[in-house]
Parts: sequence; structure tokens; C-alpha cells
Amino acid sequence: DTEVTQTPKHLVMGMTNKKSLKCEQHMGHRAMYWYKQKAKKPPELMFVYSYEKLSINESVPSRFSPECPNSSLLNLHLHALQPEDSALYLCASSQVSGAGNYGYTFGSGTRLTVV
Amino acid sequence: QKEVEQNSGPLSVPEGAIASLNCTYSDRGSQSFFWYRQYSGKSPELIMSIYSNGDKEDGRFTAQLNKASQYVSLLIRDSQPSDSATYLCAEGGGADGLTFGKGTHLIIQP
Repeated sequence: DTEVTQTPKHLVMGMTNKKSLKCEQHMGHRAMYWYKQKAKKPPELMFVYSYEKLSINESVPSRFSPECPNSSLLNLHLHALQPEDSALYLCASSQVSGAGNYGYTFGSGTRLTVV
Repeated sequence: QKEVEQNSGPLSVPEGAIASLNCTYSDRGSQSFFWYRQYSGKSPELIMSIYSNGDKEDGRFTAQLNKASQYVSLLIRDSQPSDSATYLCAEGGGADGLTFGKGTHLIIQP
């Protein structure tokens, strides 16, 4: 299995809603990531989990809350979002090795619209 | 703050020609470099990784790395219309996070 699976593919939510994005991989990767991508912009790193521990939080607002329940799953909990948070949210995973860095495998993303 | 610079294009190349995409990076200590292809509305797809100075070939793709000049390039031979996409250069990876350039929009003209 060489895939990263993200659900849902599309999500429309109001500014007072609470929702969660889910990501799953079965490649044995021990690093998982959340990226945010706005139209015609590159992906921006939000969070890094390494061995199920949060290692990087790129000054993301607290209305985004990541969770890594186990080595295969990564969630992003959303609460009180703003319309400007509308974007493509990408999950990725990679191996972690002292021998060098590996490229990431990205999921197909969740297209989020905040109304 | 690490930076990766790319010309956003669009870069227009005739079908069958060689497309040449370029990228520079700011962190002289960077060790790992990647090229991703992203079709409109889709997620990035890894097409090449390179870690050592010189060339690395995979099918129609060749990645080139020059650490002294802090320069990475991607050559696409025999360009096809299906190669039309945005190509993202990235450095870093592992548990440090990938830093992406803004991407080059490539158009292959039939």
C-alpha cells in the first residue's frame, strides 16, 4: 500500500462548526504532516509529527488542532474557522532516517470551504 | 528562514522539445532536494529526488544539483502535453518539513 488516504475530499463548514479532517497511511512511515495550500500558491507547512509526537508547529492559530492517535493516523480538528481558512488541506507522510531525508507522499487533499 | 526560488512562468515548450526548470535555494547546509508535479486541483506528486552533486536520470526526467551554486534543475526530455502542470521545487524533508518554491507553470504546446 503506497497511498495516503484523506477524508473527506470536500468539506463546507460554517464559522461556528466543529469538524475534523482525517488522514491514514499504511506505509510504515513514522513522520506525518499537515500542509495548507491556497490557490496558485505552494503548500505551506502547518504541523509535523515524528514518531507520533508533535515536533513542528508553524505558528498555526489554535483554531486548528492536530492529533496523532497512532503511527498510521493523523487528524486535524477544526473549530471557529474564518473564511480565509478556505484552502486545500494536504496530509503527507515520509520515512524518518538519519541517513537522509526522504520525499513525502501526499494524500489527495481535503478541499475546505468556510462560509 | 529557508527560501526556495523558482520562476513562476508560464514556461511554454513545444511538444517533443526539452523543458528546463530551475530552482535556487538559500540554505547552504541543505542536503535533500525534490521535484514535485502538481496538476490543477490535484495534490503534489513526487517525481524526482536528488541528494548529491551531479545528474540523476529517471526515464524522461533528469535532475541536476550544484551545491556550490545552490542550484537545482529538472530537465524533461521529449515533452508531452500530459507534462503540462506546475512543477514545485522543494528542499529539506524528513522531520524538518519540506520548504517549497512557488512553482513553475509549464505548458507543452502540441
